[in-house]
Amino acid sequence: GENVEQHPSTLSVQEGDSAVIKCTYSDSASNYFPWYKQELGKRPQLIIDIRSNVGEKKDQRIAVTLNKTAKHFSLHITETQPEDSAVYFCAASKGNFNKFYFGSGTKLNVKP
Amino acid sequence: EAQVTQNPRYLITVTGKKLTVTCSQNMNHEYMSWYRQDPGLGLRQIYYSMNVEVTDKGDVPEGYKVSRKEKRNFPLILESPSPNQTSLYFCASSLGHNNEKLFFGSGTQLSVL
Repeated sequence: GENVEQHPSTLSVQEGDSAVIKCTYSDSASNYFPWYKQELGKRPQLIIDIRSNVGEKKDQRIAVTLNKTAKHFSLHITETQPEDSAVYFCAASKGNFNKFYFGSGTKLNVKP
Repeated sequence: EAQVTQNPRYLITVTGKKLTVTCSQNMNHEYMSWYRQDPGLGLRQIYYSMNVEVTDKGDVPEGYKVSRKEKRNFPLILESPSPNQTSLYFCASSLGHNNEKLFFGSGTQLSVL
């Protein structure tokens, strides 16, 4: 089955700096890559996703890039703010099977 | 309000005592699934359902059962809970068909003593 690895496990940045979280996947058939944000004590919520026919997607301060050849995708957060502090999960899925494989999570701490 | 409702929010039980965690969605979603969240392991899929009466195993199905008799409900059943099933559980739903956005419930923190 699919194996998704996520790095780093923790990331601490100063407010205003950029943050990058990276994920790799093993199954070249995976074609959908969402990112979820989970604030402390809350449920995960989708913040951005990308499909395999696109190399990059941006939504305000958040962007995701996908390199299908290398089988890795990354989340980029610019101009970080304290409210960006949370755990971020990447995931991979393929076809219509709706099996999702999540990374182990990255705890982002944005220091004011 | 569109939502996924899980109950209970917290549950403490003892080994071997059957329990059910309920999940209900009001968005007419076809796809529903269950995950467990453990520190350092992320979210792992237990079971999922593509539609009524259609269920399939995820990555960690051992010790769990599910049923999908109605479109809106997808209960998770632990017939004989064990301490290694102590975890935070999330139900999620989506429109289905093509890996749509997952809407998560508020979670159930289960402790098996």
